[in-house]
Amino acid sequence: GAVVSQHPSRVICKSGTSVKIECRSLDFQATTMFWYRQFPKQSLMLMATSNEGSKATYEQGVEKDKFLINHASLTLSTLTVTSAHPEDSSFYICSASGTATGNTIYFGEGSWLTVV
Amino acid sequence: AQSVTQLGSHVSVSEGALVLLRCNYSSSVPPYLFWYVQYPNQGLQLLLKYTSAATLVKGINGFEAEFKKSETSFHLTKPSAHMSDAAEYFCAVSRNSGNTPLVFGKGTRLSVIA
Repeated sequence: GAVVSQHPSRVICKSGTSVKIECRSLDFQATTMFWYRQFPKQSLMLMATSNEGSKATYEQGVEKDKFLINHASLTLSTLTVTSAHPEDSSFYICSASGTATGNTIYFGEGSWLTVV
Repeated sequence: AQSVTQLGSHVSVSEGALVLLRCNYSSSVPPYLFWYVQYPNQGLQLLLKYTSAATLVKGINGFEAEFKKSETSFHLTKPSAHMSDAAEYFCAVSRNSGNTPLVFGKGTRLSVIA
């Protein structure tokens, strides 16, 4: 299957700072990327959908000014958590799809964010 | 709106026994259905998908699922469980394949007992 890579896999940041998570499609052009958040032992909650070159579409209840999503190229999307607080600590997972994947959605490895 | 219900948050089977993980969906349009597996602290790996072709879908690692429209079900099965199958399994539905986000069930944790 296609490969989606996230970086960093784990990050610890201080409360009030910002942190950026990258999601890259390594062997295909990702026209659409999705960002999910997963709390321990729970399911995935969709945060936003981004199409390359367009503004992300956020799900209801997700603060777009806090969770900045950029999808500036067909292989890279970034999620920036601004002014992070301890309650933002979570597992963030990106996924991507494109015509080359048969429109199947592939997931990254996930990124653990801990805000202290 | 679309939704997925996974019956049983935790399923425990003996090594070598049949694995059956249940998934029922709700969709106002013909659905695309997926099963993903998640190992601890990792992302999701696609096991198999149904996209309106054959109703019996074969996936990786010996898993398969059958789409039953009359029962709105897409249960995941494997004839013989292996210790390495222990993981979290998610059923998901979407309206389209790739361009619309997946809606996930709550997940079923599979334990395999030696």
